[in-house]
Amino acid sequence: QQPVQSPQAVILREGEDAVINCSSSKALYSVHWYRQKHGEAPVFLMILLKGGEQKGHDKISASFNEKKQQSSLYLTASQLSYSGTYFCGTESNSGGSNYKLTFGKGTLLTVNP
Amino acid sequence: DGGITQSPKYLFRKEGQNVTLSCEQNLNHDAMYWYRQDPGQGLRLIYYSQIVNDFQKGDIAEGYSVSREKKESFPLTVTSAQKNPTAFYLCATSRDSTWGANVLTFGAGSRLTVL
Repeated sequence: QQPVQSPQAVILREGEDAVINCSSSKALYSVHWYRQKHGEAPVFLMILLKGGEQKGHDKISASFNEKKQQSSLYLTASQLSYSGTYFCGTESNSGGSNYKLTFGKGTLLTVNP
Repeated sequence: DGGITQSPKYLFRKEGQNVTLSCEQNLNHDAMYWYRQDPGQGLRLIYYSQIVNDFQKGDIAEGYSVSREKKESFPLTVTSAQKNPTAFYLCATSRDSTWGANVLTFGAGSRLTVL
């Protein structure tokens, strides 16, 4: 089952903040965040492991609430270069030895001057 | 430079034809994956392989086949049994596939259009 991302799309002016949410119906081991610019391949942003940690670099950070099976991506003081589609990918505690990363449908972020 | 090469970038196919998409990597990564991307659907896993000569079905494997004869190569065949093959196909690798260590590196993708 795909994790659910919200909102589906968001439009910002440069310098504004945004939050993108990702929730799952399954218990999660980890959450990944990727960004895909139009016509390009997705690029890894960060991975959060269970334990409720928060990570970040530059002005993009993320949190992971294992109990709520949710993760949020925070973009502060947005720049034009932040535009793109953001995907969360989840790794669930489904047991077994086979690994599967399941992606949400994505959130389209547009940053305007 | 290390990376993932997908070919062809664009491919047109007539209905009823099989087509094979190539994915080659020189990152020395153990795990390789094929994802399909459709507008508004995100990335859906077709097949993945953790080691040579072994692969597992993903969420939408019907109508597709793969092989992993070499560590560097993971070709995907879209067969005539795939009912709606027009899509953007992404190949990805990860250093390994253990829990929490599977950061994906993606290729540039192949866009398949069925006429």
